Amino acid sequence: AQTVTQSQPEMSVQEAETVTLSCTYDTSENNYYLFWYKQPPSRQMILVIRQEAYKQQNATENRFSVNFQKAAKSFSLKISDSQLGDTAMYFCAFAAPNAGGTSYGKLTFGQGTILTVHP
Amino acid sequence: ETGVTQSPTHLIKTRGQQVTLRCSSQSGHNTVSWYQQALGQGPQFIFQYYREEENGRGNFPPRFSGLQFPNYSSELNVNALELDDSALYLCASSLVTNTEAFFGQGTRLTVV
Repeated sequence: AQTVTQSQPEMSVQEAETVTLSCTYDTSENNYYLFWYKQPPSRQMILVIRQEAYKQQNATENRFSVNFQKAAKSFSLKISDSQLGDTAMYFCAFAAPNAGGTSYGKLTFGQGTILTVHP
Repeated sequence: ETGVTQSPTHLIKTRGQQVTLRCSSQSGHNTVSWYQQALGQGPQFIFQYYREEENGRGNFPPRFSGLQFPNYSSELNVNALELDDSALYLCASSLVTNTEAFFGQGTRLTVV
C-alpha cells in the first residue's frame, strides 16, 4: 500500500516571497505519478503540477516547480513570487497503475498543508 | 471551470437514512472516482467507475455503493448513514488511461 506524508500542517509566507512545501511517500511501485493539488475555500480541488516517476527532470509550471528525489521518496513543491490567490490547502498525491496496468484510478492523498500568503 | 458538476452542494441527513449524491463528469471523460474528505483531512478514495462497472475500491464498507450511467455520469449511494459519514464528498472525472483527474466542487454531507 502507498502512503503519502505531509509533515507541515500550516505554512505562511509574505507576498512575492518563495515557499517550499514538503511531501514524502512510500511505495514499492516503480511506475507512478506524483501530484500537487490546491484546494481553496471554494473546495474545488485544482491540479497544480504533475511529475512522472520515470522522468528525472523536475516538473515546472510557471511559478510552481517541484524537487523530485526518487531515491529518497521526496516530492516538494516550491512556489515562487507568492500571490494572495495562492492561499489554500495544498495536497500531495500519488497514483500508480492498476494491476492490469490499464488505468490510473486511485489517488492517495497526504494530510494537506494550509498555506497562507500575507500581504 | 473544470466541467465536473456535483449535486447537491449541501445536504443534511439523519442517522440511519440513505443518501444519493450525483456527479456529472467532464465532457469526453469515461471514468469517475469518488472521494470522502473529512474536515481538515486529505481525501480518501471510495471507488472508481469505468464503463458502468466498479474499477477499484478503497477501504469502505458495502453500504457505500455507486452507479455509472451510459453518459458517464455517476451516483454515490450511502445506506444506513452514520455520524462519521459527515464529510465533503468529491467526484473526479478522467480518461481511464490518463492520470489527470478533474474534480467537482463537492457535496457537503452532514449527518445528525
